[in-house]
Amino acid sequence: QSALTQPASVSGSPGQSITISCTGTSSDVGSYNLVSWYQQHPGKAPKLMIYEVSKRPSGVSNHFSGSKSGNTASLTISGLQADDEADYYCCSYAGNSYVFGTGTKVTVL
Amino acid sequence: QVQLQESGPGLVKPSETLSLTCTVSRGSISSYYWSWIRQPAGKGLEWIGRIYTTGSTNYNPSLKSRVTMSVDTSKNQFSLRLTSVTAADTAVYYCARVGSSWSQGPGWFDPWGQGTLVAVSS
Repeated sequence: QSALTQPASVSGSPGQSITISCTGTSSDVGSYNLVSWYQQHPGKAPKLMIYEVSKRPSGVSNHFSGSKSGNTASLTISGLQADDEADYYCCSYAGNSYVFGTGTKVTVL
Repeated sequence: QVQLQESGPGLVKPSETLSLTCTVSRGSISSYYWSWIRQPAGKGLEWIGRIYTTGSTNYNPSLKSRVTMSVDTSKNQFSLRLTSVTAADTAVYYCARVGSSWSQGPGWFDPWGQGTLVAVSS
């Protein structure tokens, strides 16, 4: 059970859009529509941003969106804001277990 | 809004057993899966395992031989035991509820506890 692959870092200017990829296998991302995304600010617990590939929990801004194609899921942040600067992790169900991504540091320039 | 709070020793000696408890408040522990997740300093998240309120468990294959989870519905608590710890088990340990939908099943973590740092050192 290997970690899902994410880019180590992604950056963008305020107002721009960025996309974070999350690549797994046919045993996890490719087999289930149970991909979730978490935002983590330094010293804080992770916060759920997207679940079931593309659904947003109540209270999460609509400038976060998720999608999936084959074994790769993606998180898009549209209209980047200063407060979006954080670490982001994807996670996939893998059949009675879960696997997290390697994590991506988002920097707002 | 359901709240989770981890508790337990912040320091464990090598080869001993790490024990943590997660207390669920402002909601019932019943009819959900509950998970433990850990994060070494400066590193990513690692799923440890999950437990249903009936006591049914699933563990990360890489930790399975050392992990035991249990649930006490009367106290609205669930617990983690990790045996034979080494320095590699030093991490912030989080408890979380596993969110579930009728169509897809249990598949995401929300909410999370604030986390508790456990250091393994003599």
